[in-house]
Amino acid sequence: GENVEQHPSTLSVQEGDSAVIKCTYSDSASNYFPWYKQELGKRPQLIIDIRSNVGEKKDQRIAVTLNKTAKHFSLHITETQPEDSAVYFCAAGRNQFYFGTGTSLTVIP
Amino acid sequence: NAGVMQNPRHLVRRRGQEARLRCSPMKGHSHVYWYRQLPEEGLKFMVYLQKENIIDESGMPKERFSAEFPKEGPSILRIQQVVRGDSAAYFCASSPPVGDEQFFGPGTRLTVL
Repeated sequence: GENVEQHPSTLSVQEGDSAVIKCTYSDSASNYFPWYKQELGKRPQLIIDIRSNVGEKKDQRIAVTLNKTAKHFSLHITETQPEDSAVYFCAAGRNQFYFGTGTSLTVIP
Repeated sequence: NAGVMQNPRHLVRRRGQEARLRCSPMKGHSHVYWYRQLPEEGLKFMVYLQKENIIDESGMPKERFSAEFPKEGPSILRIQQVVRGDSAAYFCASSPPVGDEQFFGPGTRLTVL
């Protein structure tokens, strides 16, 4: 089955700085890579996704890159704001997803 | 356009009792997924269902756990003879017939005393 690893597990940045979260996956059949943001006690919310036929996707301050050869993908958040503080999960899969273990991001005002 | 609904939001059971968790997918969605999240951990895939069919249950424990998605009504995750280790948040997600995006419900927080 798929195995998704995510780093770092915790990340603190100053407001306005960039944050980068990295994930690797093992199953070359995976073709869909979503990122979710989860605030304490809330449901995971999809913030951006990328498919295997695309190398990079951007939505305002959030971007995701995918390297299928190396089997890794990354989330980039620029100009971070305190409201970006949350746990971020990457996932990989084809029909069902396998999630990384999460990155707790803290943006320090 | 209601999102994914789950009930109850909180469920307390004593060891040995049964827990029934319900999930109503978004309108037009025919695929349902169940995930378990232990405190401060990630989401673990349990089962993927379509109407009246279990597509993939590779993440489900072999005993005590079962899931269904009947032709009418919500999807149900059933845990028999609960133990303390079953305490977790159980999330369901749904997706449309075509497309990959999964949208999550608010979760059911199960506490086993």
